[in-house]
Amino acid sequence: GEDVEQSLFLSVREGDSSVINCTYTDSSSTYLYWYKQEPGAGLQLLTYIFSNMDMKQDQRLTVLLNKKDKHLSLRIADTQTGDSAIYFCADAGYQKVTFGTGTKLQVIP
Amino acid sequence: GAVVSQHPSRVICKSGTSVKIECRSLDFQATTMFWYRQFPKKSLMLMATSNEGSKATYEQGVEKDKFLINHASLTLSTLTVTSAHPEDSSFYICSARAPSDRNLGGYTFGSGTRLTVV
Repeated sequence: GEDVEQSLFLSVREGDSSVINCTYTDSSSTYLYWYKQEPGAGLQLLTYIFSNMDMKQDQRLTVLLNKKDKHLSLRIADTQTGDSAIYFCADAGYQKVTFGTGTKLQVIP
Repeated sequence: GAVVSQHPSRVICKSGTSVKIECRSLDFQATTMFWYRQFPKKSLMLMATSNEGSKATYEQGVEKDKFLINHASLTLSTLTVTSAHPEDSSFYICSARAPSDRNLGGYTFGSGTRLTVV
């Protein structure tokens, strides 16, 4: 079946950039998503990218997609303490969405 | 965008009782809905795919008799955790695929239900 992998933990200093990486295996992906989950809360959709795009920028967020290597990244510029959360990448095939394990982002003041 | 409402957001129940979680698509019709469960320190795992008017499709390892899914209308799917035990305590999230011209590629998620079995 499909597999989506992420590193489990990332720590950055406030004001620095954060880069969260994700790899996936499904070659039929149509959309790839990034979600944010704060403690005790549901998923918040941050951004997405179509599988035929290489890059998408949305304010402080930049998504890069290397379709050949099946590698997705989320860059958060000027990381703030409010960005501390778990970030999930998700791979949307036609029938269902497969989530990565989640990366816990810790922002150090 | 398309909105999915999940209720309740939190529930505490006694061991041995059943709990029903509702997932509603508020402004679109969803022939298919998905139920996920989040295990501690792990990713969201797909439990089952709920199909309107037919039986749900369960993922391997998910007990059909324990996690009853009903998708009786195009806007409502329910997940009932029967004879709940403490190990069923978890975060459950539903999702639906919106029409292709709405909500960023189609998938929209409920806000989740935190189930605690005591």
